[in-house]
Amino acid sequence: GAVVSQHPSRVICKSGTSVKIECRSLDFQATTMFWYRQFPKQSLMLMATSNEGSKATYEQGVEKDKFLINHASLTLSTLTVTSAHPEDSSFYICRASGGGGDTQYFGPGTRLTVL
Amino acid sequence: KQEVTQIPAALSVPEGENLVLNCSFTDSAIYNLQWFRQDPGKGLTSLLLIQSSQREQTSGRLNASLDKSSGRSTLYIAASQPGDSATYLCAVNRASGSARQLTFGSGTQLTVLP
Repeated sequence: GAVVSQHPSRVICKSGTSVKIECRSLDFQATTMFWYRQFPKQSLMLMATSNEGSKATYEQGVEKDKFLINHASLTLSTLTVTSAHPEDSSFYICRASGGGGDTQYFGPGTRLTVL
Repeated sequence: KQEVTQIPAALSVPEGENLVLNCSFTDSAIYNLQWFRQDPGKGLTSLLLIQSSQREQTSGRLNASLDKSSGRSTLYIAASQPGDSATYLCAVNRASGSARQLTFGSGTQLTVLP
């Protein structure tokens, strides 16, 4: 099946710094990438949807200036958490679409801890 | 707005038991429903996908059923093993190929004791 990777898998940063998370589709062209956030013992919540070459669409309540999403190629999307705060600490998961079919291909996730 | 609920939130069983995980959703206008497995600190692994026109899907020791009219799905795990310990998530897709409409439950954390 399709493979989606994320980097880094874990990151710890100081409050106020920016963190970039990469999501790559390894064996197919991902026309659409989705970014989710998951707090402990809670559901995955969709943050934004990005199509290659266009601006991301953010879900209600998600600050687009704080969570910058770039989808410049068919195999790479990045999520940058700007001026991170402790409440941004969470598990961030991407999903890539474009491989065909209905099965959802998720990345392995990135654990962000903001001190 | 679609809401997905999973019961129980946590479950602990001895090895070898058969068990059922429950998922309910409020809006029956779904395209498909999918069950995922999530290991601690890891991403999601797709287990079974049921189209809205189907009533069940089977893969090995796993069987998922769907009753769209009542807004329910169950995941049956036969002869559970310690390696089955994980969080199981169900997700409902409202439209074809659109993860924007993908709504997740909060999961059932399963522990299978050796």
